[in-house]
Parts: sequence; structure tokens; C-alpha cells
Amino acid sequence: EVQLLESGGGLVQPGGSLRLSCVASGFTFSSYAMSWVRQTPEKGLEWVSAVSGSGGTTYYADSVKGRFTVSRDNSENTLYLQMNSLRVEDLALYYCARDRGHSAAGTLEHWGQGTLVTVSS
Amino acid sequence: AIRLTQSPSSSASTGDRVTITCRASQGISSYLAWYQQKPGKAPKLLISAASTLQDGVPSRFSGSGSGTDFTLTISCLQSEDFATYYCQQYYDYLWTFGQGTKVEIK
Repeated sequence: EVQLLESGGGLVQPGGSLRLSCVASGFTFSSYAMSWVRQTPEKGLEWVSAVSGSGGTTYYADSVKGRFTVSRDNSENTLYLQMNSLRVEDLALYYCARDRGHSAAGTLEHWGQGTLVTVSS
Repeated sequence: AIRLTQSPSSSASTGDRVTITCRASQGISSYLAWYQQKPGKAPKLLISAASTLQDGVPSRFSGSGSGTDFTLTISCLQSEDFATYYCQQYYDYLWTFGQGTKVEIK
């Protein structure tokens, strides 16, 4: 059974940093691209970033480019999202999601339960 | 970025046929997925490539369309189908979601 477990969320001040983790199990992690998607009641679902199965190719939404960095450790079956220069508008529930194949194609077949990031002074 | 506009939320009864629409701001071929989300849960992929049903998804769900106009149909609404539905385009690498359509109990 595919399982994705996010962690690392919490309260941070504007301008601060946070690193999210997503531990995967139940599949060959390195064979699948992974994404981060966030959700707020106001803006709904927003794709944030994606990384290929090897980690060699990354993609970012314009709203986080230059501030967030996605990476993965295939030996530890773990996906990361380093978030710097956090803004109030980054407040959201962050999900990690598994894509269909090695390349980031956008078909998000499996999702974790999310970790909450709160940005407030 | 490509904008997706979904039909407004609606009320329906068990057994009804429900249609949800999603319109893209530019052509996206068939690079469209549909997700179902229930309160407190993560989204669940129902349909990819506009019309391909995911394994385990009941056949009462179907998708159609290409280009800019897409439809998700639930042929005979069941109690477990009351949820919010999102479309998502993956035509380019700035993937975007629609604002969601909530299907509520009438």
C-alpha cells in the first residue's frame, strides 16, 4: 500500500524558514516523480513544486520560485521542501503527492494527509 | 498560467445525474484530471487524460472533453459522492487547479 507521511509544518514568522519532509513507503520511491501541493480555504488547491524520480529535474510555481527548493533522498525514501523567506500568503496545508511515473507528468495518483504551515508574527 | 473555471456548487439528491464542467483559458488537449475531496481528507484522483477512469473508481463516474471544455458526470449519485470536485490541467509545467465544485445534499 502506498503511504506518504508529511511532517515539518508549524508556526513561523514572516521571513523565516521551514523544511517539510515526506516519507514514502509501499513503492519504489526512485521510480516516481513527486510533487508538493498546498491548499487554503481561500485559494483552494495550488501546485507548488515537482521533482523527477532521479531528482535531476525540478519545477516550481511562479509564486515560490527562488524561495522554495524541492529535493529528494532516494536512499531514505524522503521528499523535502525547503521554504525560505516565508510570507503570510504561504500559510496553507501542504500535501506531498506521487505522480504516475518517473517524469513529472502532473497526474497525482497518491496523496499524503498534509502538514500545516502557519506564517504569522 | 492556464486558468480553469468550474461550474458553481450544486445541490442534488441520491440517484440524480450530476454534471460538473471545467473550462480552460486556453486549449489543453486532453491534459486534464479530476479529483474528489471529502472534508478533512486529501484529494483523490478519479480521472486522468480527461476520460480515463482510475483503477477502483466506480463506473458511475465518467469524464469527457478536450481543448477547453471538459465535463465530469456522475450518472447515479450515491451518498458517498457528496464531496468537492476539482479539475486540474497538466498541459504545461505550471499545473493549475479549478476552484472546486461542491456537490451538496438537496
